[in-house]
Amino acid sequence: DAGVIQSPRHEVTEMGQEVTLRCKPISGHDYLFWYRQTMMRGLELLIYFNNNVPIDDSGMPEDRFSAKMPNASFSTLKIQPSEPRDSAVYFCASRGTADTSDTQYFGPGTRLTVL
Amino acid sequence: GNSVTQMEGPVTLSEEAFLTINCTYTATGYPSLFWYVQYPGEGLQLLLKATKADDKGSNKGFEATYRKETTSFHLEKGSVQVSDSAVYFCALTLGPGGTSYGKLTFGQGTILTVHP
Repeated sequence: DAGVIQSPRHEVTEMGQEVTLRCKPISGHDYLFWYRQTMMRGLELLIYFNNNVPIDDSGMPEDRFSAKMPNASFSTLKIQPSEPRDSAVYFCASRGTADTSDTQYFGPGTRLTVL
Repeated sequence: GNSVTQMEGPVTLSEEAFLTINCTYTATGYPSLFWYVQYPGEGLQLLLKATKADDKGSNKGFEATYRKETTSFHLEKGSVQVSDSAVYFCALTLGPGGTSYGKLTFGQGTILTVHP
């Protein structure tokens, strides 16, 4: 399996622009998670889905952030408008209920820089 | 609520030194416990796990024992290598039936640097 795939790997944009991050989970996994990592706040869970349905979005910082999962093989995290404080590494992870080890598998991350 | 507390870093060691990274947790229920490792420029990957009290997880020379009485899951390695330099995260998840099912609660991470 190719693992969790994220794109782009790096994104540089200007304040006010819309940013869309993409994730393809491991085939067969029914949980998908979006995390943000910064030096100041560490690793934060933003939102997670089960069977394409958002279960907990309490970590989404504000209305500028939105996430969708239109099907089992694709999810997006959108920031509109972006701000410099959104600069971080954004990780996507997936997990399968059939995997009794409860392990989450992480993608390589998208490094976002908002100027 | 559920939480994980790790020893503060960074931790700097010489090659072949003994490593301990402390991890304690609080949880409503009986969690599964994990150590994840993040190498520079990469995502997190599972290092080891334990699902019940007194279980010992082990991988790549690292070990951690699930201690329910002390609510701890300390990571140890007898002889570290330069290639072990990374950030280590302790984490927990709860089983089905609760509102937190499926979520990982992470500690703040501990940076380990190993010098030759």
